[in-house]
Amino acid sequence: AVQLVESGGGLVQPKESLKISCAASGFTFSNAAMYWVRQAPGKGLEWVARIRTKPNNYATYYADSVKGRFTISRDDSKSMVYLQMDNLKTEDTAMYYCTAGTDYWGQGVMVTVSS
Amino acid sequence: DIVLTQSPTTLSVTPGETVSLSCRASHSIGTNLHWYQQKTNESPRLLIKYASQSISGIPSRFSASGSGTDFTLNINNVEFDDVSSYFCQQTQSWPFTFGSGTKLEIK
Repeated sequence: AVQLVESGGGLVQPKESLKISCAASGFTFSNAAMYWVRQAPGKGLEWVARIRTKPNNYATYYADSVKGRFTISRDDSKSMVYLQMDNLKTEDTAMYYCTAGTDYWGQGVMVTVSS
Repeated sequence: DIVLTQSPTTLSVTPGETVSLSCRASHSIGTNLHWYQQKTNESPRLLIKYASQSISGIPSRFSASGSGTDFTLNINNVEFDDVSSYFCQQTQSWPFTFGSGTKLEIK
């Protein structure tokens, strides 16, 4: 069965950094574009970042709200995808979901940015 | 960016009713439109992909249609377990976007 398991969330102060991870299994990870989607408490869903596959040069894309602050990366040898979040803002507080396209979602990891 | 507008915002229905949820796109997105169900404190679950394609394990009570800019999710014979928020999502162009959701309540 497909599994996506996020980790690394927590409470950080504004302007600090945090790196969250997602461990994938149950599918051919290297063939899948991977994404991070977030949901602020009581709010809707927002795509944060996208990383394509090796044949597509691992191209990355970001929401305007995080461009220049967040970096998505992947390690195909470990079936892992990461989101490095720098210069965090209070408005980045959200549940962060790792997804493999539309079909598969992780359970999410909470990131809270507060002083 | 492509804006998805969902209506209604909230829907209160009686068990056994049939409901239709709407999702309208600001630009044509072909059939690159997907529907999700999200229960409280859970991850979104894919219900329908590419406007009308059913997903294994999803009850046949859920169906959808549409193309271009107008899309509809139908839920037949609504059950108590259907209490959730329903979101549409487009993957026509980046940034992929979600609608703001329809919250389904049971009377």
